[in-house]
Amino acid sequence: ETGVTQSPTHLIKTRGQQVTLRCSSQSGHNTVSWYQQALGQGPQFIFQYYREEENGRGNFPPRFSGLQFPNYSSELNVNALELDDSALYLCASSLRPAQLRNSPLHFGNGTRLTVT
Amino acid sequence: DQQVKQNSPSLSVQEGRISILNCDYTNSMFDYFLWYKKYPAEGPTFLISISSIKDKNEDGRFTVFLNKSAKHLSLHIVPSQPGDSAVYFCAATRGGSNYKLTFGKGTLLTVNP
Repeated sequence: ETGVTQSPTHLIKTRGQQVTLRCSSQSGHNTVSWYQQALGQGPQFIFQYYREEENGRGNFPPRFSGLQFPNYSSELNVNALELDDSALYLCASSLRPAQLRNSPLHFGNGTRLTVT
Repeated sequence: DQQVKQNSPSLSVQEGRISILNCDYTNSMFDYFLWYKKYPAEGPTFLISISSIKDKNEDGRFTVFLNKSAKHLSLHIVPSQPGDSAVYFCAATRGGSNYKLTFGKGTLLTVNP
């Protein structure tokens, strides 16, 4: 069983630039969620994708956007990067939006984004 | 407004003793709670969960207690082992759904040999 994989592991960008982070979901999982973990904070929900459509969004501006592909992999795009976007970005996969007791979230190891 | 709070940033215990990690929540709509463990350079790993219809759930050395009236839950690890040293996150959700978990800031547990 292949777990959740994220790429790249580390990334350094300059303020104002754009970035794309990638996630391959665990084998058999069709739902992908993205979380942002700033230093000293817990993960914060950005959005979830199911059937290639956004299935809900947290308190993040529109410059955070995503895609899900037919193979269930996903991308997180952030435009006009700000210094506060520096964080660990975590991807989690699961079966279709479902009860946690039946389909817990499986997290990848994350992408560490630094904005200078 | 932090809806899930872990007020202890760190906790240090001796190997073999009990570790107790605490979590408070403010949103009364939360009805499913989880604990995740995170090692450096790895993603969070699910540990144990509890539904609001229960007040206790056990899994081996790990037990989670829920006090709904106090909006408080705790994770007990007995006996603690050095491999348990990690950051522990408390998380909550509504309707038990895997949509949108709300996490606390985490507690760094150090188990000393």
